[in-house]
Amino acid sequence: GQSLEQPSEVTAVEGAIVQINCTYQTSGFYGLSWYQQHDGGAPTFLSYNALDGLEETGRFSSFLSRSDSYGYLLLQELQMKDSASYFCAVRDLDYKLSFGAGTTVTVRA
Amino acid sequence: GAVVSQHPSRVICKSGTSVKIECRSLDFQATTMFWYRQFPKQSLMLMATSNEGSKATYEQGVEKDKFLINHASLTLSTLTVTSAHPEDSSFYICSPQPQSYGYTFGSGTRLTVV
Repeated sequence: GQSLEQPSEVTAVEGAIVQINCTYQTSGFYGLSWYQQHDGGAPTFLSYNALDGLEETGRFSSFLSRSDSYGYLLLQELQMKDSASYFCAVRDLDYKLSFGAGTTVTVRA
Repeated sequence: GAVVSQHPSRVICKSGTSVKIECRSLDFQATTMFWYRQFPKQSLMLMATSNEGSKATYEQGVEKDKFLINHASLTLSTLTVTSAHPEDSSFYICSPQPQSYGYTFGSGTRLTVV
């Protein structure tokens, strides 16, 4: 099976940088991905790592260390609209996603 | 990413009735569709996987006779919640198996059973 751990809440001010860590235990690893979900909305894809290292997509970056079973999502230049829940997820051989419990990011003015 | 249309977005039904949720892939052929359920302030939990032309597979603890899944074509998968009860009230989301690595999701259906 799969299990993922991520912090439940993070609060930061506009313009700040936030890092959301995710540790995982899996029976088979086929990549770590990150999703953003605003209240009442569906998740949207942010970033994906299959290999070790950093992936940068605009203000969002994601990092993976397979040897440590660890990854993080970095949110830079925080904006009010970044207030949302963020989920890490691992994919198995059958393309099924297992999600972490989610991290609620609150951005304050 | 793939475009998925999910309907209805919200539905309120009485206990004991059935509700059908549709998920259509608009710009690709989805051979596999994943169905998730999300309770308030919780994560997405995979309920079942539908495969075009074959029986759906259900995750442990999900009643297959209660959550009927049909995937009759490459563009349409449906989830029917039968004999709904208040505890079935949740946010239901579909997601097609991606062609690359970025999963897309339907807009979700908020089901309230009264």
